[in-house]
This record gives sequence, C-alpha cells and structure tokens, in this order.
Amino acid sequence: SYELTQPPSVSVSPGQTASITCSGDKLGDKYACWYQKKPGQSPLLVIFQDTKRPSGIPERFSGSNSGNTATLTVSGTQAMDEADYYCQAWDSSTGNVVFGGGTKLTVL
Amino acid sequence: EVQLVESGGGLVQPGGSLRLSCVASGFAFSSYAMSWVRQAPGKGLEWVSSISGSGTTFYTDSVKGRFTISRDNSKNTLYLQMNSLRADDTALYYCAKTVNSVWFFDLWGRGTLVTVSS
Repeated sequence: SYELTQPPSVSVSPGQTASITCSGDKLGDKYACWYQKKPGQSPLLVIFQDTKRPSGIPERFSGSNSGNTATLTVSGTQAMDEADYYCQAWDSSTGNVVFGGGTKLTVL
Repeated sequence: EVQLVESGGGLVQPGGSLRLSCVASGFAFSSYAMSWVRQAPGKGLEWVSSISGSGTTFYTDSVKGRFTISRDNSKNTLYLQMNSLRADDTALYYCAKTVNSVWFFDLWGRGTLVTVSS
C-alpha cells in the first residue's frame, strides 16, 4: 500500500522559516495537500493541489511537490503556527486516501 | 452557515455496533463526496472511508467488511455503520467534505468520540 513519510518533529524560531517534508514514491505525480491540527480543534486545510491556499489561509503558508517529496513551508513563523501538520495524497490505483504520520511544529 | 455536525459516538463493548451520523448544511451536499477520518488517542489522522456523490464507496483495509458508509442526500446526512468493533477502533471520528477527483478534505466537523472497551 502507498505510504507517506514525515519527520516526527520540526523546530523553528519565531520569524524564521520552517519546512516540513512528506515523502512517497513518485509523490510528485500525485496531488499533495496539508492540514494543520491543533489540540482540541478539527483539522484545517492549509494547502491543496500542491501549492494552492484556501481562502483565509495566510500567505506565509506555501507548498511544493516534485519527485518523491512534497514540502510545506511556513515563512515568518508565528507562535500561533505551532501545531501538528499532516500531508495527504490520493492513491488513484486503489482509490485510497493516505495520510502521512504527522509532524509536530514547535515554535521555540 | 457551512458546517458538519457528527453524532452517534459513545462507549461500546468489543464486538458491538454503532452508527455515526453527520448532518451537513450550507452547501450542495449531493454534489460532493464525503468521508470519515479518525484519530486514535495520541495518534495521527487515519482515513476510514469515502463515498462519492453517486454512491461509490471506498474503505481502508482495516475496516473492510465491518464498516459501511452511506448517505441520504434528501436529508443531507452521511452515515457510518460500524460492526464488530475492536479496541483499536477507539478514536475521534471526523466527518469531512471531500473534493471530488483530487480527494482532499476542505471542511471538517468537530468529531464524535467512539470508545470500544469492556
């Protein structure tokens, strides 16, 4: 079955840039998206179709996807960005949706 | 208001059954695929099942043959019938509006908690 791999944790200083990676076989041939999950809250879509931001998501969130790796970049990271982030893709061969294991972003 | 509201969770013994419901409002429910995603305590997000607007269904391997997803477009309601429940089904179950063809989730409910324990 298709798998997506994320680092368990990433740390960043306030105002700096954080990059969270998501790896999967030929992931660049699929669309990747990203969700922000804070404790006690529902997941929030922050990037879809590799690079697009939903309405209301700050411009400091951006995404890319090429080869085997998708990347979520948070520029000018703020304390409010501290959360778990999950990548997700759709495996068209099986019709299954796949999530990465999640990355805890800590703003130190 | 655009929203999803889940219900039906609770405490059930191993081997038991539950039916979750999700009422949608504020968008054309029948035009969208819908999904269930769960998060076990201390774990990550896990896709459970999806159903297209026309009724085609998809399941993760661990629930095939035990869970059934369905929808009633006249009631703007999504369901998840869960049978033969196991301890590892314990999780917060989210209902999610699903964008067809690229299958991502752009609207989530607040979740309903399912606990499987004796």
